[in-house]
Amino acid sequence: DVKVTQSSRYLVKRTGEKVFLECVQDMDHENMFWYRQDPGLGLRLIYFSYDVKMKEKGDIPEGYSVSREKKERFSLILESASTNQTSMYLCASSPQGASGNTIYFGEGSWLTVV
Amino acid sequence: KQEVTQIPAALSVPEGENLVLNCSFTDSAIYNLQWFRQDPGKGLTSLLLIQSSQREQTSGRLNASLDKSSGRSTLYIAASQPGDSATYLCAVRGESGGSNYKLTFGKGTLLTVNP
Repeated sequence: DVKVTQSSRYLVKRTGEKVFLECVQDMDHENMFWYRQDPGLGLRLIYFSYDVKMKEKGDIPEGYSVSREKKERFSLILESASTNQTSMYLCASSPQGASGNTIYFGEGSWLTVV
Repeated sequence: KQEVTQIPAALSVPEGENLVLNCSFTDSAIYNLQWFRQDPGKGLTSLLLIQSSQREQTSGRLNASLDKSSGRSTLYIAASQPGDSATYLCAVRGESGGSNYKLTFGKGTLLTVNP
């Protein structure tokens, strides 16, 4: 079974702190993604990566950065956390290719910024 | 810009009932459509993936259909059970080309199946 592991399930951080959310997948997938999910807004793509050291902005990249130094690991970084970044963050991965490939999600990380 | 809408936003049914969840999308140029299930506080689990060239996919009590030209998909759940209670989301992948795999999600339908 594909496993996407988000190391922190629940975090509470202070405004202005630097926050790292880590995600690891064990299926050698090329593509990895970070989404945030908010009530009434659904899932929104923050960043994605289709290869090591490659990244592309999603729909809401402001206030975030990412790092992909190894194929299996994709990190989301909040340089200076703000209260409007309180949310559930979901990491996902998928194999490279076109229409036939499904996407696998982690369990999510609940971040509260106070 | 692709927009995905799911109706209804919430649905409550008695156990054993057959039900249909609806998903519509504005841009018919898609590679595929997926239905996901999300339990409270958890990640998403893929249920069914329909290629753009397919009309439907089945898995157990679940059947998903796709009408690409009209921008619609339905998820049919037969003989619903309390364990089916969850939020169901649909997502489409656009024909953006390349190896990217970007999904646009609907906001989901919250299903409650009452014993």
